[in-house]
Amino acid sequence: KNQVEQSPQSLIILEGKNCTLQCNYTVSPFSNLRWYKQDTGRGPVSLTIMTFSENTKSNGRYTATLDADTKQSSLHITASQLSDSASYICVVSAFAAGNKLTFGGGTRVLVKP
Amino acid sequence: EPEVTQTPSHQVTQMGQEVILRCVPISNHLYFYWYRQILGQKVEFLVSFYNNEISEKSEIFDDQFSVERPDGSNFTLKIRSTKLEDSAMYFCASRRDSGNTIYFGEGSWLTVV
Repeated sequence: KNQVEQSPQSLIILEGKNCTLQCNYTVSPFSNLRWYKQDTGRGPVSLTIMTFSENTKSNGRYTATLDADTKQSSLHITASQLSDSASYICVVSAFAAGNKLTFGGGTRVLVKP
Repeated sequence: EPEVTQTPSHQVTQMGQEVILRCVPISNHLYFYWYRQILGQKVEFLVSFYNNEISEKSEIFDDQFSVERPDGSNFTLKIRSTKLEDSAMYFCASRRDSGNTIYFGEGSWLTVV
C-alpha cells in the first residue's frame, strides 16, 4: 500500500531560525514528490515538485531534497518568518491512471517571534 | 496567477440531504480531482477525472458520490444523501497534464448536522 510518513508531527521554532522537515514514502512506481504549504482552513499551495532524477530544488527560502534510493525527502526552511506558520505536506505521485497523489499527514510548523 | 475556484466556501446541511459542490478548474487544464480533509486529518483522494470520465476513484467514493463536468468549465461533486461523517473540507484540484503542478482550490467546508 502506498504510504507517506512525515516527521515531526509538529514543531515550534523562533523567528529567524532554520528547520528541516522529513518525509518517507513507499509509493511505487514513483513519479514525483511535491511539498505543499497549507494554511489553516485553506487549500494546499505547491512549493516544489521533484522527479526521480532531481536531488534538490529551491523556492525562495524553501529547499527540498530527494533521495529516491532511500525514498526520503526533506524540506528545509531558512530564516523562518511568522508567515511560515502552516502545515507542510509531503505528497507523492505514482505512475497510474490520473497520477493519484498520496498525502502525508503533514508537519505543523509554528514560528514564534 | 490563474486559480481554481470553489463554491460554496461553507455549507451546512441536514443529514440525508443532497449537496452539490462546485469547482471551476483552471481553463486549460485537463485533469480534475476531488479530495477531502476531515478536520485534523490528512487530505484523502476521492476521484480523478480526465477526458470526461472518471479515471480513478478511492474506496471513499461510493455510490453516494458522483462527479460531473456539465458544461466544459464547471466540475461538480454531488453527495446524494449526506451522512454526519461526510463533514469535511472538500478540495477541488486541476492540472494541465501529467507531471505538472496540481493546483488546489480554497476548499468547500461541508458541515452535516
